[in-house]
Amino acid sequence: DAMVIQNPRYQVTQFGKPVTLSCSQTLNHNVMYWYQQKSSQAPKLLFHYYDKDFNNEADTPDNFQSRRPNTSFCFLDIRSPGLGDAAMYLCATGPGREKLFFGSGTQLSVL
Amino acid sequence: GQSLEQPSEVTAVEGAIVQINCTYQTSGFYGLSWYQQHDGGAPTFLSYNGLDGLEETGRFSSFLSRSDSYGYLLLQELQMKDSASYFCAVNQGGKLIFGQGTELSVKP
Repeated sequence: DAMVIQNPRYQVTQFGKPVTLSCSQTLNHNVMYWYQQKSSQAPKLLFHYYDKDFNNEADTPDNFQSRRPNTSFCFLDIRSPGLGDAAMYLCATGPGREKLFFGSGTQLSVL
Repeated sequence: GQSLEQPSEVTAVEGAIVQINCTYQTSGFYGLSWYQQHDGGAPTFLSYNGLDGLEETGRFSSFLSRSDSYGYLLLQELQMKDSASYFCAVNQGGKLIFGQGTELSVKP
């Protein structure tokens, strides 16, 4: 059974059109992370939550926002997607720092 | 800041042993993790070292030397399905920072 679920698996949006990616977890962990991964690159941390405490990485563009209405759900909002935002977006959670469970990711294309 | 260095590519044959090294520079270190990622898939946790020494999990082992800021992942009895990218990651202040990854190709 999937423990971290991301929807949709593939998302196509238009340049400048807001898009929301969703993530849910059945593990009831306090922490949730959003990573961006471009082709042949490492996952890059965008932000993370500890419970409702939001932590933004210093180099995460203002174009990226996140919401976490409850423990199970987390959303990534891209307010005005550019071509450079096309990437795989990965959501993760875990019992601690050492071991994360990732969702299958959402592959975002920007036309 | 932090940086992690690992080889970009490694090639080995089925049945062989391969070692993927990782060196790191970071302020605030809690441990070194290893993840496997197949093409188009999500990263999957393999191993974690919080203390110096060797951790063994089946065909995979991981080693850490904190004094040398160095670790490695050892894969034994390589199988074709082990062809994937392998990332070392540093646990720093409640978040996981990934290295650039090593693409492992296993040949018959």
